[in-house]
Amino acid sequence: GESVGLHLPTLSVQEGDNSIINCAYSNSASDYFIWYKQESGKGPQFIIDIRSNMDKRQGQRVTVLLNKTVKHLSLQIAATQPGDSAVYFCAETSDMDTGRRALTFGSGTRLQVQP
Amino acid sequence: GAGVSQSPSNKVTEKGKDVELRCDPISGHTALYWYRQRLGQGLEFLIYFQGNSAPDKSGLPSDRFSAERTGESVSTLTIQRTQQEDSAVYLCASSSDSLGGKKQFFGPGTRLTVL
Repeated sequence: GESVGLHLPTLSVQEGDNSIINCAYSNSASDYFIWYKQESGKGPQFIIDIRSNMDKRQGQRVTVLLNKTVKHLSLQIAATQPGDSAVYFCAETSDMDTGRRALTFGSGTRLQVQP
Repeated sequence: GAGVSQSPSNKVTEKGKDVELRCDPISGHTALYWYRQRLGQGLEFLIYFQGNSAPDKSGLPSDRFSAERTGESVSTLTIQRTQQEDSAVYLCASSSDSLGGKKQFFGPGTRLTVL
């Protein structure tokens, strides 16, 4: 499959450790945020989302934190597993006049889990 | 179907030729998006369809790019007179028209290589 990104920032962690992936966004009007996981040769896969009226949301082994003051989003993965190795993208969106909700994606972070 | 499907999965073409990419969204999803992902980069919005409304074409990079959608089903993205800079993965996503409809589900993408 195709490599998603050859020059992405890379986070390397040991299996079983916790991972934290960070994302900065620029649009203060953004009111909805998503984290996607993209494995080589595949489309982005939804992980977790959060609305702007929240600052934390938890899923299974994942937590998203939102700091609207500094426009920062983070994804925490607990007990990282080799299957978590992928490129992770944050995405944001806001109401627009046309009503479309196209996502604006960050540049991505590659997570490498060492066994 | 169970998810978004795209065809072909890979397309190699010569500079100057036209190509047509196909997307089958999740059944019942009224919103459909096309994105482009260049190697090592995030996703760029191209075009958005919502029901029978006029599509939002604001992300199309040039008049060589066009897209159509038949009702709330299949969509085709056409690139005329392809250029080498058109080489990328083209991703399609769909979402449901509801309060939670911002969550977009992606297909596996079509990798386009223009020689």
